[in-house]
This record gives sequence, C-alpha cells and structure tokens, in this order.
Amino acid sequence: AQTVTQSQPEMSVQEAETVTLSCTYDTSESDYYLFWYKQPPSRQMILVIRQEAYKQQNATENRFSVNFQKAAKSFSLKISDSQLGDAAMYFCAYSRNAGGTSYGKLTFGQGTILTVHP
Amino acid sequence: KAGVTQTPRYLIKTRGQQVTLSCSPISGHRSVSWYQQTPGQGLQFLFEYFSETQRNKGNFPGRFSGRQFSNSRSEMNVSTLELGDSALYLCASSLAPGRLEPQHFGDGTRLSIL
Repeated sequence: AQTVTQSQPEMSVQEAETVTLSCTYDTSESDYYLFWYKQPPSRQMILVIRQEAYKQQNATENRFSVNFQKAAKSFSLKISDSQLGDAAMYFCAYSRNAGGTSYGKLTFGQGTILTVHP
Repeated sequence: KAGVTQTPRYLIKTRGQQVTLSCSPISGHRSVSWYQQTPGQGLQFLFEYFSETQRNKGNFPGRFSGRQFSNSRSEMNVSTLELGDSALYLCASSLAPGRLEPQHFGDGTRLSIL
C-alpha cells in the first residue's frame, strides 16, 4: 500500500520569506502523480501544485515550486515570498496510475500547519 | 462556474441513526470521490464513482455506502452511526478519472455524532 508522510506537523515563516514543506512517500509503482493541497480554515481543499512522476522537470506555479526527487521518494513544496494568505494546512497527496482505475483515489499525508507571521 | 456543492454544511445526529450527505459536482464533471477527515486519522479515501459506477472503495465498513446519479450528483450514506463517525466529509469532483485531471473539493459536511 502507498503511504505519504509529512514529518513537520507545524511550520512558521515570516511574511516575504521562503519556506519549504517536506513530504516523503512510499510506493512500488513507477508511474504516479503527486499533489500539494492547501486547506485554509474555511475548509475547502485547494490544489496548489501537481507533479507527474514521469516528468523529471519540477513543477512550478507562480510562488510555489516543488523539489521532486523520485529516487529518494521525496516531494517538497517551496513557497517563496510568503504571504499572510498562505497560512493554512498543507497536504501532500499521492495518486497512482494503474491503467485508469485509481486516479480518483488520493492518499494524503498527515498535513503541515503553516503559520505566516507579519 | 459553480464549484462542488455539498449539503448540508453541518449535521448533528445521535448514535444508531443514519445519515445521507449530498454532493453536486462541478458542471460537466463525471467523477466524484468522497473522503473522511478526522484529527486522528487524517484524510481517508471512502469511495469513487464514475458514470454511476463505484470504481474504487477505501477501507471502511459496510455501514458506509454511496451512489451516483445520472446527473453525476452523488450521495453517501452512513447507517448505524457511531461516535467515531464524527468527521468532516469531503467530496471532490473531476472531469473524468484521467491522468491530468485534478480533483476539485467542496467545503465539506461537518457531521457530529452525540
């Protein structure tokens, strides 16, 4: 079974600074997808960034970028120029590619609470 | 374009009762997945529906069931409620179970069992 581990229950950062959230996963699959979701107190899960395992290039979305190390099974999220609105719970998630039968199943990590100080 | 709509937002039930939660996906989305979120267990996958068929099921007892209608709306049902069923239930939709299709989540239904 696939597992996702986020070893940092809480992180904090000063506004305008950079912070990195860690995520490791375990899988025997070679083709899969990784995601970072953000859940603010409003509860709605918002997709931040996604990475396809067969792509070596790290994904980037504006101030958000990932460091994907497939061999090490590591998928960290870097937030640059942190803003107050970035404060939320961040979840790392995994989805396997099994011939189209497992895309709808996300396996989540335990989450990291990010606090942004003004 | 309206997002994923979950109703009700809050629900209070007592042990032994049953409950039905509703999820209306984004217009055009045909895949719906359900997740349970608790402080202790985190986010756990319940099941996924596509074209009215359950494609995937998580490791939950048979008291948890679901279905999807022809308009892609989905319901999940929990029978014989237990205190441990208190949780935030999240629904997510996507166009189809495809490799490039991210899931879009609703605001969830907060279920409290007394």
